[in-house]
Amino acid sequence: SQKIEQNSEALNIQEGKTATLTCNYTNYSPAYLQWYRQDPGRGPVFLLLIRENEKEKRKERLKVTFDTTLKQSLFHITASQPADSATYLCALMNNNAGNMLTFGGGTRLMVKP
Amino acid sequence: GAVVSQHPSRVICKSGTSVKIECRSLDFQATTMFWYRQFPKQSLMLMATSNEGSKATYEQGVEKDKFLINHASLTLSTLTVTSAHPEDSSFYICSATPPVDGYGYTFGSGTRLTVV
Repeated sequence: SQKIEQNSEALNIQEGKTATLTCNYTNYSPAYLQWYRQDPGRGPVFLLLIRENEKEKRKERLKVTFDTTLKQSLFHITASQPADSATYLCALMNNNAGNMLTFGGGTRLMVKP
Repeated sequence: GAVVSQHPSRVICKSGTSVKIECRSLDFQATTMFWYRQFPKQSLMLMATSNEGSKATYEQGVEKDKFLINHASLTLSTLTVTSAHPEDSSFYICSATPPVDGYGYTFGSGTRLTVV
């Protein structure tokens, strides 16, 4: 069966450190992998998109890697800040799936001052 | 740019009544919009794909007669929860894809539905 797995346990890190979140998938052939941020009671906000033929994508303090052999994406936030505390969701758009996104369960990040 | 507006943000209704939720793309046209439902501490589950000018496509297990979707224009999709019951209480979120290469989905701010 198809699965998108993110660590359901909260990740607690100290301010200034790099946060690394993991997204693993099985039985997908994603054209894209996307990362979103979701704050409580709000809709997700798009952060980064990486294509199947890309290995790495950066945006300011954010970095995403995509390994289609390992079927894994890593999401890094460098120089983390308490304002980065939120739930981070990875989402896949499968080939031939009509632009439909499927989400992982999300990982809650807590950055302590 | 690429803003999706969703209303209302919160609604409390009595069991058996119907509730309509609106989703508008403010600065782009969206031939396709998506409706998700999210229960506490869970991820987003796709309910249906809303197609402008045609019938919505529902995911397995979602009752199309209970969750009515209308996408009458390129900027507006509505979700009506009919004969709501307490188990329909959830966070409903719509999304659309702006026509920008390399950009993900834009989500509405969500609607917290509480059925009492």
